[in-house]
Amino acid sequence: QSALTQPASVSGSPGQSITISCTGTSSDVGYSKYVSWCQLHPGKAPKLIIYEVRNRPSGVSNRFSGSKSGNTASLTISGLQAEDEGDYYCSSSSASGTAVFGGGTKLTVL
Amino acid sequence: QVQLVQSGSELKKPGASVKVSCKASGYTFTTNGMNWVRQAPGQGLEWMGWINTRTGDPTYAQGFTGRFVFSVDTSVTTTYLQISSLKAEDTAIYYCAREPLKFDYWGQGSLVTVSS
Repeated sequence: QSALTQPASVSGSPGQSITISCTGTSSDVGYSKYVSWCQLHPGKAPKLIIYEVRNRPSGVSNRFSGSKSGNTASLTISGLQAEDEGDYYCSSSSASGTAVFGGGTKLTVL
Repeated sequence: QVQLVQSGSELKKPGASVKVSCKASGYTFTTNGMNWVRQAPGQGLEWMGWINTRTGDPTYAQGFTGRFVFSVDTSVTTTYLQISSLKAEDTAIYYCAREPLKFDYWGQGSLVTVSS
C-alpha cells in the first residue's frame, strides 16, 4: 500500500492560516471515514489532533479543523502559533482493512 | 488518564532479537486494540499492524510478516513487539498507538538501533 501524499513542508506567519493536504485513492481516503491527523514534536509522544475526518479530541484547540473532498483530506490550522510548529501526519483506513500514513508535512511558523 | 509507556532504547547487533513493550494504563485494556508504527531515521510513519488485545489476534501490514511478532499480556496490560534476525534497516523508533483506526493515544517511542 502506497503512502498517502502530503506536501513535504508548509510555512506561515503567526496569526495566519495554513492547510495541509493528504491525497490518497478511492480505496483509502476516498473510501474511509477513518481519516486522522497527528502532530509530532521531537522527543514527545505523537498527539492525535483530528479523527474521523473532522472530529477534534477533547483538549485540542478549535484552531485545528479537518475536512475531506473525494480522495483528498485536509487539515487547516488557523491563527498559527509558534507551538504549532512540528510534523503532521495523516492516516486513513483502507478497504482492505489496513491503515496507511501520509509521508508527513513539516510545518514551520515563520 | 490514558497512558502508554514504552520500554527504553535498545542497541542490538545484526542477527539478534529485540522485544519492545508498551504498558497501558488509565482505561480498560481489552477494550481497544493496539497498533505498532515504525519511523526510520529521516523517514515518515509506517503502519506495521495491530493486535486485538482481547483475543491476542495480530494483523500484520505488508512488509512486516515473518520477523515481526505482536503479543499481549493482559495480566500486566502490556503489548509487545518482537523483532528477530535484526538488520541494519530495522533501526528506527517504534511507537505503540491505541485504537486501530484512530491512533488516539501514543507511546513515547522506543529507539532500536541495529549496529555491529
